[in-house]
Amino acid sequence: DTGVSQNPRHKITKRGQNVTFRCDPISEHNRLYWYRQTLGQGPEFLTYFQNEAQLEKSRLLSDRFSAERPKGSFSTLEIQRTEQGDSAMYLCASNGKEDSPLHFGNGTRLTVT
Amino acid sequence: DQQVKQNSPSLSVQEGRISILNCDYTNSMFDYFLWYKKYPAEGPTFLISISSIKDKNEDGRFTVFLNKSAKHLSLHIVPSQPGDSAVYFCAGPGEGGWGAGTKLIIKP
Repeated sequence: DTGVSQNPRHKITKRGQNVTFRCDPISEHNRLYWYRQTLGQGPEFLTYFQNEAQLEKSRLLSDRFSAERPKGSFSTLEIQRTEQGDSAMYLCASNGKEDSPLHFGNGTRLTVT
Repeated sequence: DQQVKQNSPSLSVQEGRISILNCDYTNSMFDYFLWYKKYPAEGPTFLISISSIKDKNEDGRFTVFLNKSAKHLSLHIVPSQPGDSAVYFCAGPGEGGWGAGTKLIIKP
């Protein structure tokens, strides 16, 4: 078990470009979460999957954001037409049961210039 | 609307002494709480949790206390060690929200 893996670790993009991040959860975990963290704040929930079904979406997840988990394994988070306000650390986490602790990846740091 | 708050952005403690990190919440329906620890350039890692039916949970040097009437919980670390220097987050269940974190600095 290598833990939760996120790629890339860093992404610098120009405003208006699209970006996609990937998360590989712990293999036996069926629940996968995306969070966003900005400096000086705690992680903010974005969305959550149980297997391939996206069950919850935060109102923080604007129309420019889309997440998928097509086969119930890895997940992708895409941001279209990036804005400078999208600059943040994007964290992925997984767990096997609703009330069990989350296992986080090391995140993807996005910088929009 | 933030349901979990950590009002101390940072805390400095002498090595060997007790570190006390505080957290307040607003949602009385939360049935458990979690503490996570985060080192720079890494994701948060789970530290300890407490069920709302308990008022204390202990794991080695770490103890979490829950005061439901005050909607307050605290994490005690004793004795504090240099490796404890990190940011500590308090979190509610599910999408219940996270505090902004407290940066703990252990001075040698």
